[in-house]
Amino acid sequence: GQQLNQSPQSMFIQEGEDVSMNCTSSSIFNTWLWYKQDPGEGPVLLIALYKAGELTSNGRLTAQFGITRKDSFLNISASIPSDVGIYFCAGQGGSEKLVFGKGTKLTVNP
Amino acid sequence: GAGVSQSPSNKVTEKGKDVELRCDPISGHTALYWYRQSLGQGLEFLIYFQGNSAPDKSGLPSDRFSAERTGGSVSTLTIQRTQQEDSAVYLCASGAGGPNEQYFGPGTRLTVT
Repeated sequence: GQQLNQSPQSMFIQEGEDVSMNCTSSSIFNTWLWYKQDPGEGPVLLIALYKAGELTSNGRLTAQFGITRKDSFLNISASIPSDVGIYFCAGQGGSEKLVFGKGTKLTVNP
Repeated sequence: GAGVSQSPSNKVTEKGKDVELRCDPISGHTALYWYRQSLGQGLEFLIYFQGNSAPDKSGLPSDRFSAERTGGSVSTLTIQRTQQEDSAVYLCASGAGGPNEQYFGPGTRLTVT
């Protein structure tokens, strides 16, 4: 089945630094989504991308839908302690099902 | 308004027992999804309900897993004869059917001893 490769698996950064993570796929997706999950909670949608080449921002977050439709990245600028959590990419192909990456665990040191 | 709720929040069961996990979606949402999240892993799709259509069961890992959605609202995920590898967080999401419309509940952490 479809799989997403998400990297890096974990990141340890200092408060104020910028962060970048990405996902790649062997197959084409029609939609890319980025979620954040805090401990003991379900994932919360951060950004949704619907068109190849689309670049979308949500506050300090910026994400892009790769032109090949097989990749996406998420950038977080000027990180703060509450950015800590696990970030997941998810892609949607020809059905309603989402395929999720394995997550990037972000730790921000104050 | 109220979000997606799931119960119980934690469930410990013995190997071989059956368990039922409940999901209360957001009122009015026609789509309901179940996912499984193993430790340190991403979310694995299990089953999808949309309105009165036949559910998409393609993600269920074995015939020990089944799910129902009664009256287009509450859903129950049943795992029969639980195995240790069933230990995971089971997440439910509801939405209006589009990919960006999946709102997740807090999950049920299942531990099979």
